[in-house]
Amino acid sequence: GQNIDQPTEMTATEGAIVQINCTYQTSGFNGLFWYQQHAGEAPTFLSYNVLDGLEEKGRFSSFLSRSKGYSYLLLKELQMKDSASYLCAAMDSNYQLIWGAGTKLIIKP
Amino acid sequence: DTAVSQTPKYLVTQMGNDKSIKCEQNLGHDTMYWYKQDSKKFLKIMFSYNNKELIINETVPNRFSPKSPDKAHLNLHINSLELGDSAVYFCASSQDTGTITDTQYFGPGTRLTVL
Repeated sequence: GQNIDQPTEMTATEGAIVQINCTYQTSGFNGLFWYQQHAGEAPTFLSYNVLDGLEEKGRFSSFLSRSKGYSYLLLKELQMKDSASYLCAAMDSNYQLIWGAGTKLIIKP
Repeated sequence: DTAVSQTPKYLVTQMGNDKSIKCEQNLGHDTMYWYKQDSKKFLKIMFSYNNKELIINETVPNRFSPKSPDKAHLNLHINSLELGDSAVYFCASSQDTGTITDTQYFGPGTRLTVL
């Protein structure tokens, strides 16, 4: 079966760094997406990885290891506005997105 | 200019009623989707649709039906609403180019409450 696992909730301190992990099992693989969703709002695209390695985009970076079926989202210099849910989604061989349940990130002052 | 829009934003209705949620995208995308996000915040795909193919998640009851008058619109019609249908419904779209960079853009969501 196809499956995405990520922690349900994480807590971090303003100004710190946090890493949100995601493991996936899909029928084929065509990339790994990270989305951010603030409470009561729609998910918005953050990053896409299809090759192994780290993709950096400002304070956010995303890493992929295809051999391990593993990705992480790294958030640096945390701000209160980063409090949100972070959704991991893997694209299978049919270009269908398989979604994780999301990780709720709580930022404390 | 809103890329993906949905109406209404909030919908409160009685059990047994029939209702529709409208979705429009002005991105020129080929594929549109409907998702259900329940109280546990799990995003569940219901349908994906382009002008070639409708893909239905087999777990979706047949009370739910997508209707697409044209490429820019995919409406969701729900018959005989049940309490368990209460959730937030998101519409999304993506460029179906057959490539792997198929980012989905989401509408603002419709919060459906069935009483």
